[in-house]
Amino acid sequence: NAGVTQTPKFRILKIGQSMTLQCTQDMNHNYMYWYRQDPGMGLKLIYYSVGAGITDKGEVPNGYNVSRSTTEDFPLRLELAAPSQTSVYFCASSYGPEVTEQFFGPGTRLTVL
Amino acid sequence: AQKVTQAQTEISVVEKEDVTLDCVYETRDTTYYLFWYKQPPSGELVFLIRRNSFDEQNEISGRYSWNFQKSTSSFNFTITASQVVDSAVYFCALSDGDFNKFYFGSGTKLNVKP
Repeated sequence: NAGVTQTPKFRILKIGQSMTLQCTQDMNHNYMYWYRQDPGMGLKLIYYSVGAGITDKGEVPNGYNVSRSTTEDFPLRLELAAPSQTSVYFCASSYGPEVTEQFFGPGTRLTVL
Repeated sequence: AQKVTQAQTEISVVEKEDVTLDCVYETRDTTYYLFWYKQPPSGELVFLIRRNSFDEQNEISGRYSWNFQKSTSSFNFTITASQVVDSAVYFCALSDGDFNKFYFGSGTKLNVKP
């Protein structure tokens, strides 16, 4: 099992550009999550999904969109990138509905200039 | 609202010293879950432990131990005889069971010097 994979690993965007961060898990997990980690800070939840076709906002959803068309994939879309979106983005997944540990991807380091 | 506080931003110890990382949480729920994760310099997040609110037993795993005290809303993590490989950022997280969403503390950076 590859676990949770994310692409790309690094990306530099110009202000106003858009991009999609890819996330795939091969553990057949129901729940998937997107977090952002700012320097010296903990992780903040952006969006989450409890199954294909079901998504909801987390703590910091503004400026982002998600979709979940399959169990495996949970892409995060940034529209009109801003310097405030410079961060490390982590995708995670877990079994549901029971509360268990989340499995994290390796992260995507995004810089918006 | 759920909140996790890790007041220690950074700790430096010399190898073989014992070190305790503090975690204080806030929740109104009676059922909740607490987690610790390790983030080494390579950046990935490594799961260490999960504890539910009904289980106050302390846990030991090798050099790692955890002290859960509901009376003080704390879930502290102790590393005994620290090693250089323990150098990392450690995160405490809380889940109230609502779709298993996590609320993370800001992390404690542990530097273990040889």
